[in-house]
Order: sequence, then structure tokens, then C-alpha cells
Amino acid sequence: ETGVTQSPTHLIKTRGQQVTLRCSSQSGHNTVSWYQQALGQGPQFIFQYYREEENGRGNFPPRFSGLQFPNYSSELNVNALELDDSALYLCASSVGGEGKETQYFGPGTRLLVL
Amino acid sequence: GDSVTQMEGPVTLSEEAFLTINCTYTATGYPSLFWYVQYPGEGLQLLLKATKADDKGSNKGFEATYRKETTSFHLEKGSVQVSDSAVYFCAPGGSNYKLTFGKGTLLTVNP
Repeated sequence: ETGVTQSPTHLIKTRGQQVTLRCSSQSGHNTVSWYQQALGQGPQFIFQYYREEENGRGNFPPRFSGLQFPNYSSELNVNALELDDSALYLCASSVGGEGKETQYFGPGTRLLVL
Repeated sequence: GDSVTQMEGPVTLSEEAFLTINCTYTATGYPSLFWYVQYPGEGLQLLLKATKADDKGSNKGFEATYRKETTSFHLEKGSVQVSDSAVYFCAPGGSNYKLTFGKGTLLTVNP
């Protein structure tokens, strides 16, 4: 059974650019959640996709957007990058769109914005 | 909304010492409760979970009991190893869609 995978592992961008991060969910999972983890902090919820629809969103601006595909993989897009967007971006997959379900995390994508 | 308060770190112990990391939470309804562990430079790994009151989650010698009356889910291990050095996160998962994390507790175990 393949776990959650993310790509790329590391990324360097400059302020104002756009970035796309990718996540493949664990086999049999239909839900993907994205989290942002700043250095020394706990992960903060960005949004969740359940069966290709946005199922919930945290306190992030609209320049953070996402997609989920029919195979349940997902993308996180960030437009107009700011320095504070530098962080580890984690995706997690689960079955069903509820927080009570166990979420399994990928290794993360580390984004540095210069 | 949901929130979690974790014991402030860092926590430094000698090998074979007893570990307790306190966690209290606020959540609507009856959440599931999770402990995740993050090793340096890695993502989060599920350590253990409990889904209802008085349940005990356990894994790799770690234990935590879901205490509804005190809204707590304290993590314990009887004898820590150097390899347990990591950041530990307590997270309630409620009837909404997300996990809520605190800042985490950094544990360092010295030989």
C-alpha cells in the first residue's frame, strides 16, 4: 500500500510568483487536507477537498486555492507569493470528510520565498 | 472553534526516564483525539489515537487516555529512548473537517 506522497520536496520562489504543490493520497482515501507549518509552529489548516469539492477552509486568503482530481490526488496553488508564505506545506489523506477520521500525512514540501 | 493547549517545551530527559506531555483541548461535541510525532525534517506521523471517552490509545510504548471529564489526553511513556527525540503534537479532530494543532512539544532524550 502506497502512502501519501508530495512533490516537489523543496522549492525556492521569489516574491510575487505563483507555485503549485502536488499530493497523491493513500490508496482508498477520498479526502485530502492541506496544512501550512511555519518554522517552530504547529500545522495550520488551509482547506480540505472531499470527493473533488472543497469541504472546508481555514483562515487563508483567496490566493491559496486548490483542486482535487477524480483519482483523489490534489494540488495546492498559491498566487502572488509573499515572504511569509515560506513554510512546510503538508497534505494529509483520509476517508470521509470529517476531522474524526485519521489523517495520514505526507513528507511535506518545503517552500522558501525570497 | 476547537483549540488545544500543550505543555510548553522543550523537554529534556535522560534515557529510560518517564515521560509525560500534558494536553488539554476544547472542542464541540465528541472529537477523536490524536497524538502525532514529527522527526527533524519530516512530515507528521500518527503515534496513537482514541475515539471515545475512556479509550486508551497506545503505540511503541506510548499511551494516552481520553479523559472527557477533564478534556485531557496526556501522553506518557515509561522509559524513553534517544530515538524518541522529536516534536509531539496533540490534536483534536472534531465533527468538522480539520485537525487543530498546538505549537507542539520538543522532546530531547540524552544518552
